[in-house]
This record gives sequence, structure tokens and C-alpha cells, in this order.
Amino acid sequence: DVKVTQSSRYLVKRTGEKVFLECVQDMDHENMFWYRQDPGLGLRLIYFSYDVKMKEKGDIPEGYSVSREKKERFSLILESASTNQTSMYLCASSPKASSPLHFGNGTRLTVT
Amino acid sequence: GEDVEQSLFLSVREGDSSVINCTYTDSSSTYLYWYKQEPGAGLQLLTYIFSNMDMKQDQRLTVLLNKKDKHLSLRIADTQTGDSAIYFCAEILNSGNTPLVFGKGTRLSVIA
Repeated sequence: DVKVTQSSRYLVKRTGEKVFLECVQDMDHENMFWYRQDPGLGLRLIYFSYDVKMKEKGDIPEGYSVSREKKERFSLILESASTNQTSMYLCASSPKASSPLHFGNGTRLTVT
Repeated sequence: GEDVEQSLFLSVREGDSSVINCTYTDSSSTYLYWYKQEPGAGLQLLTYIFSNMDMKQDQRLTVLLNKKDKHLSLRIADTQTGDSAIYFCAEILNSGNTPLVFGKGTRLSVIA
């Protein structure tokens, strides 16, 4: 089974802090994705990557950046956390673009 | 354009059938997916249907696809309390080079 691991289940940070959310997949998947999930808004795509060192903006990239230095790891970075970035963050991976996504269990981030 | 719509809530009694509906607007979709999200967890792929199929059955799950109306449904027979979750419909476009487009999710509540 594919395993997508997000390093933290819960995270509490202060406004203005730099925040790193880490995601690792163990199935040599090409593609990795970061979503945020908010009540009533469903899943919104922040960034995705189809290969090492490649990144593409999703629907809501503002306030975020990403890093993909190795195939198995995709990091989401909040340069200066703000309270409106309090959310559930979900990482996913897939072997190719048309394949179904495999999700991690999510990181619930609270920014105070 | 690409938009996937679902009703936000559904409540059923234990033992009854649940039908979760989804509409999509892009006729070039190739695969359509159903994901399940249990409380505090990530999304888990439940089933999928290829666009040249009308129906797919997998144990208690039946997926129906009406391409003319761009309507997808998920029927859960003999609904159990363990089926309580959020169910997401998602589509992949024919190009295959764009990420999945998700609906906002339907929260299914099963009443004992």
C-alpha cells in the first residue's frame, strides 16, 4: 500500500512565524500535491509538482511556497504565517497525472 | 470550464440506502472518482468509474454515470454507522495533465 506521511498531525504557530509542513511518500510517485481543506470550501489546491525541482501554482498559492528537492518529499512553506492560514492541510501523491491521488492523514495547523 | 458540485449534507437511517449525487460540467472527463474522508483523517479512494462506463458495482457500492446529464451518483446499500463520513466526487480531465477537480464534499450522517 502507498504510504503518504505528513510529519505532524497538529501544529500551533504564532502569526509571523515561518512554518514548514513536510510530506513524504514511499512509492516513487512522480506527482505530489498540497491542498487545504476548510468547512464549506472543500479542498483547494495550493501547489503541485510533477517532478523533482518542479512546481506549479494551484488555485490559492498566495502566502505559500513549496520545495521538492527529492522525489519522495514535498514541503509546504508558509513564509510568514497568518491567522487566515489556520486550516487542515492535506498532502497527496500519484504515479502519473491521470492516476487517483493517495492522501496523507493531514496536518491541522492553528495560527494564533 | 470545470466545476464539480455536490449537496453538502445527507442524513439516512441505518440499514437504508444512501445516494450521494454529483454533477460535473466538463464533458471531456476521463475518470470520475469517489473519495471518503472519515473524521480526522485524509481522503481514501473508495471507487472510480471510467467515462465509457454507465455503472460499476463493488460490494455495497454502486456508481452510476449519466454522461448526457453529466451526473454521477454513489449508492451505498445497507448503510452502516461506519459509513458516516464526507464523500468527495472528483474528475480528471481528458488532457490528464491537470490535477483532479474535487467537489466540496457531502457529509453523510447515519442515524442508528
